[in-house]
Amino acid sequence: GALVYQYPRRTICKSGTSMRMECQAVGFQATSVAWYRQSPQKTFELIALSTVNSAIKYEQNFTQEKFPISHPNLSFSSMTVLNAYLEDRGLYLCGALTGGNYEQYFGPGTRLTVL
Amino acid sequence: SQWGEENLQALSIQEGEDVTMNCSYKTYTTVVQWYRQKSGKGPALIILIRSNEREKRSGRLRATLDTSSQSSSLSITGTLATDTAVYFCATDANQGGRALIFGTGTTVSVSP
Repeated sequence: GALVYQYPRRTICKSGTSMRMECQAVGFQATSVAWYRQSPQKTFELIALSTVNSAIKYEQNFTQEKFPISHPNLSFSSMTVLNAYLEDRGLYLCGALTGGNYEQYFGPGTRLTVL
Repeated sequence: SQWGEENLQALSIQEGEDVTMNCSYKTYTTVVQWYRQKSGKGPALIILIRSNEREKRSGRLRATLDTSSQSSSLSITGTLATDTAVYFCATDANQGGRALIFGTGTTVSVSP
């Protein structure tokens, strides 16, 4: 079956520091990976969509300078939150897609706390 | 309902009851997907309905789609305690690669 792992599951960082989170697809080829942030109120924000061999598309209010993403192969993607501040807190989820399918397979998320 | 609602809707029901939740969306989408998110986990797709379908069934789940009003509904019949979760509808984000725009979610709590 298709599985997506994310690590770390939880992380705490000091305000102004950076942290990197990873997303691993197992059992399928993740041709695209979308990164989302979920607030404590459960609302989602799409950060960016990364497709192997294509440019990464960032949503408005999210930039490569702040959330650089790497998607080097069909099983792995990573995103870094640079200079994290309180407003960056939340659950960061990656959703992986394969080929022309609509279904996204989600990992359990990385919960970021900023002190 | 999801979208246009500022607050997350919450429903509390007893096992065996049926529940219906609604969502409306803003722009054209090729499919409406319904995801279920249980505590501590990421969302998981439970049913998908395409823009040329009006109704889709899968076990105890039934999704409807009205493209003229840009709205969709999800019904669960004979709920179980294990149906307790937050339910999200999701549509295309127009990213070309099928990223999703999620609704605000409906929390469903099913008591045994």
